[in-house]
Amino acid sequence: ETGVTQSPTHLIKTRGQQVTLRCSSQSGHNTVSWYQQALGQGPQFIFQYYREEENGRGNFPPRFSGLQFPNYSSELNVNALELDDSALYLCASSSGQENIQYFGAGTRLSVL
Amino acid sequence: GEDVEQSLFLSVREGDSSVINCTYTDSSSTYLYWYKQEPGAGLQLLTYIFSNMDMKQDQRLTVLLNKKDKHLSLRIADTQTGDSAIYFCAETAMDSNYQLIWGAGTKLIIKP
Repeated sequence: ETGVTQSPTHLIKTRGQQVTLRCSSQSGHNTVSWYQQALGQGPQFIFQYYREEENGRGNFPPRFSGLQFPNYSSELNVNALELDDSALYLCASSSGQENIQYFGAGTRLSVL
Repeated sequence: GEDVEQSLFLSVREGDSSVINCTYTDSSSTYLYWYKQEPGAGLQLLTYIFSNMDMKQDQRLTVLLNKKDKHLSLRIADTQTGDSAIYFCAETAMDSNYQLIWGAGTKLIIKP
């Protein structure tokens, strides 16, 4: 059984560019959640996908968008990057009512 | 809105017990979780507790839940240097689309 994997591990972009982050969910999990973790803070919920549909969204602007594919893998897209978007982006997969979320190692995004 | 609070630092001697505390505000919380994050890494689920339970024990870890006071604690027995990390408390509520609400994390420092 493979765990949650994210790619790339590190990324450097400049302000105004666009970025796509990828996540493969754990086998058997149909729900993927994305979080942003700024340095020294707890994660902030971006959105969640369940069976290819957005199933909840945090307080993030529309330039943060996502997709979930039939195999339950997911993408996070961020347009018009801003310096404050520099953070660790975490993906978690889950299944079932207990909502036990298992996390990948994250993608460290730096916006210059 | 929902809020989760934790102390930022805890320092203990190797071999002693560590007790990390967390308070939350959402009375509809259904599950509460403890995650561990080592430097540069993703979030590792340590344990979780359902809101109708008072206590859960798993090897060196003991979780206590006081639902009346909205207080959650994690006790780590016989603390070792490998326990050095940031510990996050998180809650989920059924009326919040299962998103996790996080504390800012408690950094556990182990003194020799």
